[in-house]
Amino acid sequence: GDSVTQMEGPVTLSEEAFLTINCTYTATGYPSLFWYVQYPGEGLQLLLKATKADDKGSNKGFEATYRKETTSFHLEKGSVQVSDSAVYFCALSKIYGQNFVFGPGTRLSVLP
Amino acid sequence: DTEVTQTPKHLVMGMTNKKSLKCEQHMGHRAMYWYKQKAKKPPELMFVYSYEKLSINESVPSRFSPECPNSSLLNLHLHALQPEDSALYLCASSQGGVDRVRRNEQFFGPGTRLTVL
Repeated sequence: GDSVTQMEGPVTLSEEAFLTINCTYTATGYPSLFWYVQYPGEGLQLLLKATKADDKGSNKGFEATYRKETTSFHLEKGSVQVSDSAVYFCALSKIYGQNFVFGPGTRLSVLP
Repeated sequence: DTEVTQTPKHLVMGMTNKKSLKCEQHMGHRAMYWYKQKAKKPPELMFVYSYEKLSINESVPSRFSPECPNSSLLNLHLHALQPEDSALYLCASSQGGVDRVRRNEQFFGPGTRLTVL
C-alpha cells in the first residue's frame, strides 16, 4: 500500500539555521504531496503542496519540490525561527482516493 | 471563510456518559472527515462523509457514531468510551468536485481534546 517515510526526530536547531526535513513516499499512480504543520495544542495547518512532478510548493519561507525520480518531497527553510517549532507531517493523496496517508511526523525545536 | 470550527475544545467524560463532538465549515466543501490523533502520532482516519453520505468507516468501534445533518455540519456521538479512547479528535473538510487540487486538499479544525476517565 501507499506509505510516507519521514526522517526521525526530534530535530533541534538554533535560530537562523538551515532546515531540511526529508520525506519519501511509496505510491502507485501520481499522488499529490503535502506538508502540514501542527503547533502545540492545535490542529493541522496546510503549509504547502505540490500536485505533479517538478512542482515546487512554497509558503512562509518553506519550500519543497516534488521529485518523482527519487519519490521525495523534502521540506527546506533557509533560516528558521523559534516560532517554527512544531511537528511537521508529510502526506500524500491520490486523485481517486479520499484518504490522506500521513508520515509519522517530525518534531522541530528551534532554540534562540 | 476558510475555517473549520470544532466544539468543545476540551471534553472530560466518564465511561458511562454520552457526549457529542461538533464540527462546522462554511467553505462549501462536500467531503468531511473525522480523525483520531494520539500523542506524538499522525492523525488516523476514522470516517469520511462525501455529499452527506458516509463513504468510509475505517473499522471504528460502534461506540463512535458519526452523523452529518447537512453539508456544513459533522457530529461524532460518543457512548460507553474506554480510557484508551482519550485523544485529540480532529475534523477536516475538502472540496468535492472535479478539480484535482482542491479536491485533495484538506482543511483541519483545531480539534477536541477528549479525556475518558
